[in-house]
Amino acid sequence: EAGVVQSPRYKIIEKKQPVAFWCNPISGHNTLYWYLQNLGQGPELLIRYENEEAVDDSQLPKDRFSAERLKGVDSTLKIQPAELGDSAVYLCASSLDGHSYEQYFGPGTRLTVT
Amino acid sequence: GDSVTQMEGPVTLSEEAFLTINCTYTATGYPSLFWYVQYPGEGLQLLLKATKADDKGSNKGFEATYRKETTSFHLEKGSVQVSDSAVYFCALLGGGDSSYKLIFGSGTRLLVRP
Repeated sequence: EAGVVQSPRYKIIEKKQPVAFWCNPISGHNTLYWYLQNLGQGPELLIRYENEEAVDDSQLPKDRFSAERLKGVDSTLKIQPAELGDSAVYLCASSLDGHSYEQYFGPGTRLTVT
Repeated sequence: GDSVTQMEGPVTLSEEAFLTINCTYTATGYPSLFWYVQYPGEGLQLLLKATKADDKGSNKGFEATYRKETTSFHLEKGSVQVSDSAVYFCALLGGGDSSYKLIFGSGTRLLVRP
């Protein structure tokens, strides 16, 4: 069974440029999560989807971040414009549903903003 | 709010040494507790879990016991291997409205020398 797929694995951009990250969850998983992991820290939840609905986006900085999960399968997280402080690893995870104990993580996208 | 505190790293051990990584938590209600491991260049993987007090989670020689009286979930392994070198994250899954939300500690890097 394929795991959570993310692309790209690495991205380097200049500040003020836009960037997008893509995630494909495990087949059959209805719940999808985007996490932000700063260097030396644990992941922090940005947004959670149940199917195509964003049920918790309270930690998403909506002035520059947006996300979508069309058709309730894969998802895209976008930053526009990027700032230096956005340099971090962006992790995607999925679970069978919102009450599942186990969340399965992708390898992440490491973003460097110069 | 809910939080997790784990010992700072790096922890450096020789092969076959005994490992303890301390983790304590603060939470309302009765959270589920987890240890995740992150190998270099990979995503987080669930190592073990415990869902109620006095439960012991175990996997790959690692163990952790859910201690409600001390609000702790320390990770132990009797004999570490070089291949155990990774970053270990303690996490909790809260109850109620936060029942889907993983709260992570800041991670502890383990380096095992041959």
